[in-house]
Amino acid sequence: DTGVSQDPRHKITKRGQNVTFRCDPISEHNRLYWYRQTLGQGPEFLTYFQNEAQLEKSRLLSDRFSAERPKGSFSTLEIQRTEQGDSAMYLCASSSLRATGELFFGEGSRLTVL
Amino acid sequence: DAKTTQPTSMDCAEGRAANLPCNHSTISGNEYVYWYRQIHSQGPQYIIHGLKNNETNEMASLIITEDRKSSTLILPHATLRDTAVYYCIVRVAGGGADGLTFGKGTHLIIQP
Repeated sequence: DTGVSQDPRHKITKRGQNVTFRCDPISEHNRLYWYRQTLGQGPEFLTYFQNEAQLEKSRLLSDRFSAERPKGSFSTLEIQRTEQGDSAMYLCASSSLRATGELFFGEGSRLTVL
Repeated sequence: DAKTTQPTSMDCAEGRAANLPCNHSTISGNEYVYWYRQIHSQGPQYIIHGLKNNETNEMASLIITEDRKSSTLILPHATLRDTAVYYCIVRVAGGGADGLTFGKGTHLIIQP
């Protein structure tokens, strides 16, 4: 499978714990995006990378959230001191530089904070 | 990025053409129209995009009005697997602020 993969698919945690999600993009894609989606809403942009550089961060990305893409390949999204409001689907997508509007999404990582 | 307006939901009979409208009256000259869909419990899937000419691919056709203030996504022969939320998005291709902004989309339900 050469699509975007995310891990874990589901995560249940207690409030105050830290969680980390991993995304492996399509190998030749330079751009990698993180989105968050809550029930009944469309995906909300969080941040994106071009290679290893984080080029944009949404105001939704509070100080408790950090994303990295250290070698320009896979990326991690960490949420520290989780809150119940962080419960959502976290989606990763990637695109080539040639077609930056054509995003390929993964299946998402569903977070439930108890 | 310009805002878009879509109906909340639509029904279509299986085998018929599904026509999904989108209004984007404030679109700028360098903004493209993109369509994505999201099947339940999956990530969004890119369908098609266009600037001002009509476009067709193996999934759908995109009709953009001459004034570019609205567009229609056409699924020519809808199947039950086309039941999904369809998002219409306008953005500058390759623009610096690259976060595609998804609204609530249109929930298309294909009826057997």
